[in-house]
Amino acid sequence: NAGVTQTPKFQVLKTGQSMTLQCAQDMNHEYMSWYRQDPGMGLRLIHYSVGAGITDQGEVPNGYNVSRSTTEDFPLRLLSAAPSQTSVYFCASKPGGGAYEQYFGPGTRLTVT
Amino acid sequence: GENVEQHPSTLSVQEGDSAVIKCTYSDSASNYFPWYKQELGKRPQLIIDIRSNVGEKKDQRIAVTLNKTAKHFSLHITETQPEDSAVYFCAASIIGSARQLTFGSGTQLTVLP
Repeated sequence: NAGVTQTPKFQVLKTGQSMTLQCAQDMNHEYMSWYRQDPGMGLRLIHYSVGAGITDQGEVPNGYNVSRSTTEDFPLRLLSAAPSQTSVYFCASKPGGGAYEQYFGPGTRLTVT
Repeated sequence: GENVEQHPSTLSVQEGDSAVIKCTYSDSASNYFPWYKQELGKRPQLIIDIRSNVGEKKDQRIAVTLNKTAKHFSLHITETQPEDSAVYFCAASIIGSARQLTFGSGTQLTVLP
């Protein structure tokens, strides 16, 4: 299994540009999440999904959209990039709502200039 | 929602000494508390977790304790080694709930040789 994969690994955007961060998992996990990691602030939840067709907002959803058309994929869209969105983005998945390990992808480092 | 506070933000110890990282949570309904380790440039990985029906759990040099009454839990690392140097995150969630993990802000542990 490849586990959780993310593309791209690095990205530089100009203010106002849009882009999609890709996330895929091959473990047939129900739950998928997007986090952003900023220095001194830990991992903050952006959006999450508990199954195909179901998404919900996390702690910091503004400026981001998600969709979950398949179990495997959970893309994160930046609608109009802002410098405040400069961060490292992690996608994660787990089998369900139980006490399961959450598996993280390798991360995407995004810089908005 | 849940709020998890983590202390200290940085911790330096001599090799062989013990390290303790503490977290408090706000939602008394939380009943699952994992700890993740993140090495520089890598993804977070689960190292140990505890459910609220036990007060302590050990795995070799790592242990976690939980005080439900006070709503705090701690990570203990004994006989620290240089490879323990990393950022450690605590988290909290509710088993069976759609609510995702809420993370603390992280502790940078440095083990000095």
